[in-house]
Amino acid sequence: GDSVTQMEGPVTLSEEAFLTINCTYTATGYPSLFWYVQYPGEGLQLLLKATKADDKGSNKGFEATYRKETTSFHLEKGSVQVSDSAVYFCALISSGGSYIPTFGRGTSLIVHP
Amino acid sequence: GAGVSQSPSNKVTEKGKDVELRCDPISGHTALYWYRQSLGQGLEFLIYFQGNSAPDKSGLPSDRFSAERTGGSVSTLTIQRTQQEDSAVYLCASSSRLDPPGNTIYFGEGSWLTVV
Repeated sequence: GDSVTQMEGPVTLSEEAFLTINCTYTATGYPSLFWYVQYPGEGLQLLLKATKADDKGSNKGFEATYRKETTSFHLEKGSVQVSDSAVYFCALISSGGSYIPTFGRGTSLIVHP
Repeated sequence: GAGVSQSPSNKVTEKGKDVELRCDPISGHTALYWYRQSLGQGLEFLIYFQGNSAPDKSGLPSDRFSAERTGGSVSTLTIQRTQQEDSAVYLCASSSRLDPPGNTIYFGEGSWLTVV
């Protein structure tokens, strides 16, 4: 079945550091890939998405590239801010399966001033 | 509406009581999903609807949980005889369609349920 694996957290960084959160997946068909962000006490918000191989999703300085050859969708940001502290979820929706979105377990990011 | 709306936002109930959680999806969205998120945990899929039908109910934790959707819009998740382990945030999401690439799902703020 479909699955998403994210790096374990928490990830702790200083402000302006470079961020990478790894995400790899297994899926049937050709999935769409997503990153969601959950700020403390809030619901999940879509951060970015990519719907086909080699697509790059970007938003708010975050980027992720759909790599079919390595089945990865790593999230990156060049310079994090304290306000980026949140939990980040990688997710996929497969075209060949049940269409149920599959989420990773989430990676907590803590950014210190 | 502009976004997915859930109510109540917070609910404290006594063990053994029934609760109903409501979700109002984005207007025109045909697919609706329910997830559960326990403290510090990831998302647990419960059920989804395509229109008013639920093709896959396998994620519901027990027969105390049920869900319905009427008019292809509002959905209600009902938990009967609540137990303390039901305490969690119940998240609803909707999307305009099931199949990629147009199936971005949008979440509500969640209903925080505490069973005491």
